[in-house]
Amino acid sequence: DGGITQSPKYLFRKEGQNVTLSCEQNLNHDAMYWYRQDPGQGLRLIYYSQIVNDFQKGDIAEGYSVSREKKESFPLTVTSAQKNPTAFYLCASAPSGSITDTQYFGPGTRLTVL
Amino acid sequence: AQTVTQSQPEMSVQEAETVTLSCTYDTSESDYYLFWYKQPPSRQMILVIRQEAYKQQNATENRFSVNFQKAAKSFSLKISDSQLGDAAMYFCAYNLRGAQKLVFGQGTRLTINP
Repeated sequence: DGGITQSPKYLFRKEGQNVTLSCEQNLNHDAMYWYRQDPGQGLRLIYYSQIVNDFQKGDIAEGYSVSREKKESFPLTVTSAQKNPTAFYLCASAPSGSITDTQYFGPGTRLTVL
Repeated sequence: AQTVTQSQPEMSVQEAETVTLSCTYDTSESDYYLFWYKQPPSRQMILVIRQEAYKQQNATENRFSVNFQKAAKSFSLKISDSQLGDAAMYFCAYNLRGAQKLVFGQGTRLTINP
């Protein structure tokens, strides 16, 4: 089955730790995205990538980092510089990242800071 | 600022009846795409329907249809013959050319009463 997988489903982080959220897709999509969702709010873009070895900051990139070494993988690291990381994180992909594309989403990772 | 407003935080409807969710957006661009996504309790975002701004004809997908009023910047979602499985958060979003992101509203929680 083609789709997007995210792991883990739940993640707990202690203060001062870096953690990495995994996102993998087998849809052969060029573009991948990371969004953050807070309670009662819509999604906000953290980072996006339209091609391997290239990525761009979104609206709320501070305290986050990404890499895109393979087409199918786009991991997100939440660093200790992110002051309020508790949220639901969604990864998405799209065929090319053009305006005509529909973005398809993974099942999400719930991150909680202890 | 580019924004999406969903003025109804919560809506409820009787099973088998029709409900309309409202959405307005603010952009000065003329080329964009509009989307409605559904987020059930599993929290995975699922595409419900999409509309190209240059098309005057309203999009339909089975029981789901939109009322797109470009001049008014309005994009409402109509769900006919509501089913229990339609219960979810519904998000309106748009995608601008060159913006490389979806801009989301804050969502409407839809409850279906049996």
